[in-house]
Amino acid sequence: DIQMTQSPSTLYASVGDRVTITCRASQSISSWLAWYQQKPGKAPKLLMYKASTLESGVPSRFSGSGSETEFSLTISSLQPDDFATYCCQQYNNYSPTTFGQGTKVEIK
Amino acid sequence: QVQLQESGPGLVKPSETLSLTCTVSGGSISGYYCNWIRQSPGKGLEWIGYIYYSGSTNYNPSLKSRVTISVDTAKNQFSLKLSSVTAADTAVYYCARSPSRGSFDYWGQGTLVTVSS
Repeated sequence: DIQMTQSPSTLYASVGDRVTITCRASQSISSWLAWYQQKPGKAPKLLMYKASTLESGVPSRFSGSGSETEFSLTISSLQPDDFATYCCQQYNNYSPTTFGQGTKVEIK
Repeated sequence: QVQLQESGPGLVKPSETLSLTCTVSGGSISGYYCNWIRQSPGKGLEWIGYIYYSGSTNYNPSLKSRVTISVDTAKNQFSLKLSSVTAADTAVYYCARSPSRGSFDYWGQGTLVTVSS
């Protein structure tokens, strides 16, 4: 299986901060990476796919970059609604598709 | 607006079979991959498998021997069966749709299944 490793596990930030979360793949996945936002008790919400394509309806303060094994999700100006857990998913190899362990963004 | 809703027992005894159904409304499942994903308490997401609307399946190798996913296009539903469950199968189970073998654009709200006697 392709292992997805996110860093940091927890990130403390304030409203208005620029925040970057990193996801590393154990082998090259080209650009076949998605990002999700998950709030407590809720299903994940798709933010980004193909590493840098914003899902319809997602605010433009979210952006994604990277390829091969190194990826990042950036929130340009953190809003109160953005405090949540973020996880990445690789789908280069669908047997199985795998997720990172998550990065929790908390209020500083 | 597409909506997915999981249904099924919230408590299953060890060694028995977990059965869940996902009902899709607001859109057809035709043309889509219908997935099951789970999340153990405090843990990350684990993909269980998918069924394409035409009936082809792909399962996580770690669960393959115990998983069956089926589809009923007439009812716009798909189902999960996981046999010989143990406490390690206790999790929130999500159904999710993907337009290709890729990311998941619509998810159900999730249903907690506890394995306990």
